[in-house]
Amino acid sequence: EVQLVETGGGLIQSGGSLRLSCAASGFTVSSHYMSWVRQAPGKGLEWVSVIYSAGTTYYADSVRGRFTISRDDSKNTLFLQMNSLRAEDTAVYYCARQVNSMVRGVVSYYYYYMDVWGKGTTVTVSS
Amino acid sequence: QPVLTQSSSASASLGSSVKLTCTLSSGHSSYIIAWHQQQPGKAPRYLMKLEGSGSYNKGSGVPDRFSGSSSGADRYLTISNLQSEDEADYYCETWDGNPVFGGGTKLTVL
Repeated sequence: EVQLVETGGGLIQSGGSLRLSCAASGFTVSSHYMSWVRQAPGKGLEWVSVIYSAGTTYYADSVRGRFTISRDDSKNTLFLQMNSLRAEDTAVYYCARQVNSMVRGVVSYYYYYMDVWGKGTTVTVSS
Repeated sequence: QPVLTQSSSASASLGSSVKLTCTLSSGHSSYIIAWHQQQPGKAPRYLMKLEGSGSYNKGSGVPDRFSGSSSGADRYLTISNLQSEDEADYYCETWDGNPVFGGGTKLTVL
């Protein structure tokens, strides 16, 4: 069964650090694009970071320079290192697997979308 | 960077049908999107991938009551024979080198 399980959330003071983990089963993390998505209380989904299968990483402007996405292929696990945490980082953090679909045209283009989500882990940053 | 626009709320009666809309911003009308459902207190769940042609592929276990269609820059999610468990937030998502989400539509089943 394809599954993602996030751990590592908790209550942390502003300025502190946390490391989230996302353990995958039923598929190989390194073969997929993988993202972290967060949801602040009462708000919508906000993409945080992505790691491509080749290892390239990208971040939302709101976390760039503070958060680092990585993976351990031997453990089939995705990570999110969060430093310099702020109150506005308070959210449920989800990891998600992405798969692709190609649109053929004059220039063909691959679209990546999330097809498997974890249950999430809650991060609360107190000020 | 594409922008996805969704109505903030929608409502429909038990057993009826509802059509939710996700509109792609100008210049991005050919983009593929995905629809996700988030029931209260739960994680999001992938529903389907939807192309500009209207072709869609649903995730495993998604009921037949859920279908997708497209018209220009609009991407639709239609839910037929509404059930109480369909009351949820629905998000559309696309890709532009990184994921982009719409603001979500809160569906109330009356």
